[in-house]
Amino acid sequence: SQTIHQWPATLVQPVGSPLSLECTVEGTSNPNLYWYRQAAGRGLQLLFYSVGIGQISSEVPQNLSASRPQDRQFILSSKKLLLSDSGFYLCAWSAGGFGTEAFFGQGTRLTVV
Amino acid sequence: GQQLNQSPQSMFIQEGEDVSMNCTSSSIFNTWLWYKQDPGEGPVLLIALYKAGELTSNGRLTAQFGITRKDSFLNISASIPSDVGIYFCAGTYNNDMRFGAGTRLTVKP
Repeated sequence: SQTIHQWPATLVQPVGSPLSLECTVEGTSNPNLYWYRQAAGRGLQLLFYSVGIGQISSEVPQNLSASRPQDRQFILSSKKLLLSDSGFYLCAWSAGGFGTEAFFGQGTRLTVV
Repeated sequence: GQQLNQSPQSMFIQEGEDVSMNCTSSSIFNTWLWYKQDPGEGPVLLIALYKAGELTSNGRLTAQFGITRKDSFLNISASIPSDVGIYFCAGTYNNDMRFGAGTRLTVKP
C-alpha cells in the first residue's frame, strides 16, 4: 500500500534562517506531488505541485521554492525565512491523471521566531 | 486559478442532529472530494466523487457531485462527538486540486 512521510513534525526557526522540509511517498511511482500551507484556522493554500521529476509549478510568488530531485521525493525550501512563513505545511500525493484523489502527510508545524 | 466557496464557515450542533455543508465554484471540476481534518493532523479523505450527479455514501456521510460540475454537498446524519473537526471540500481539474476554506463543526453532547 502507498504511504506518505513528511518531516519534521514541528520546527522552530529564526527569521532569516534557511528551511528544508522533506516529503517522500512509498508504494507508487510517478505520483503527482503537492505542497500546501495552512494558516491557523484557515483553509489550504496550494503552494507548488509537480507532475514529474524536475517539473514544478508555482502557484503563489513568495519566499519559498520546491524541488523534486527523485520521483517520490518533494522538498520545500527557503533561503531566508520570514515571520509570515509560519504555518502548517502539508505534503500530498495523487496518482495523477484525470481527477484523482489526493492523500496527505501528517504535516509540519513551522514557527518562525 | 479556480476558487471554491465553502459554507457554512462553522456550525454548532447538538449530538444526534444532521449536518449539511456545500461547496460551489464558478468553474467546473472533474472530481469533488471531501476531507476531514483533526487538529494538528493532515486531512483525511472521506468521500470521492467522479461523475456529475453521482451520490455516494460512506456510513453516516453522504455526498453528491452537482449536475453542473460546479458544486457539491456533504451531509452527516445523526452526528456524534467524534464528528468534530474541520471539513474541506476539494475540486480537481486535470492535475490541479483546489480546496474550500473549510467548515468547522462543533458537536455538543
